[in-house]
Amino acid sequence: DTGVSQDPRHKITKRGQNVTFRCDPISEHNRLYWYRQTLGQGPEFLTYFQNEAQLEKSRLLSDRFSAERPKGSFSTLEIQRTEQGDSAMYLCASSPTSETLHFGNGTRLTVT
Amino acid sequence: AQSVAQPEDQVNVAEGNPLTVKCTYSVSGNPYLFWYVQYPNRGLQFLLKYITGDNLVKGSYGFEAEFNKSQTSFHLKKPSALVSDSALYFCAVSPIGAGTALIFGKGTTLSVSS
Repeated sequence: DTGVSQDPRHKITKRGQNVTFRCDPISEHNRLYWYRQTLGQGPEFLTYFQNEAQLEKSRLLSDRFSAERPKGSFSTLEIQRTEQGDSAMYLCASSPTSETLHFGNGTRLTVT
Repeated sequence: AQSVAQPEDQVNVAEGNPLTVKCTYSVSGNPYLFWYVQYPNRGLQFLLKYITGDNLVKGSYGFEAEFNKSQTSFHLKKPSALVSDSALYFCAVSPIGAGTALIFGKGTTLSVSS
């Protein structure tokens, strides 16, 4: 079990630029989740995949955000035309058919 | 609206004393309940969960939690705190069951002094 891997760990970008984050789940975990966490808050759900199908999206996920999980393995989260309000920790988690989520260490995004 | 409340932003205890971190929830149906811990600049680590059965659930690192349906609470407890337990603790609920997104509380910072 190598754990959930996220890349990069940190990303600093200028407002208006596009960014893409990658998440590699624990192998054989068919469920993959993206969360966003801001300072002083708990993680907020963004979206959820079962295999390659995106089954649920939060209202927090504006049209500037898109997530994919081709072939049901790794996932990418893209933010277009970044805004300062997008600055946060982006967490990925995976799970098998059980309920317990296994989180990666996150990608910290800073938009200047 | 479905929600999780952690009424204390911070809990301070002395090493060796018992600790309690409080959590209450408001969801429909029979939820699944979880506790996670987060260390600085790290992701969340699973501590324990309640699905069904015995109301007292035991988890990692000596932590346990008690499910109280009438009070809609799921408080985290440990008989004897360690300095290394100092971290940010999150309560979470899955409103429907397996596979649905977890709703997290805002977190409680636990500080254990030596």
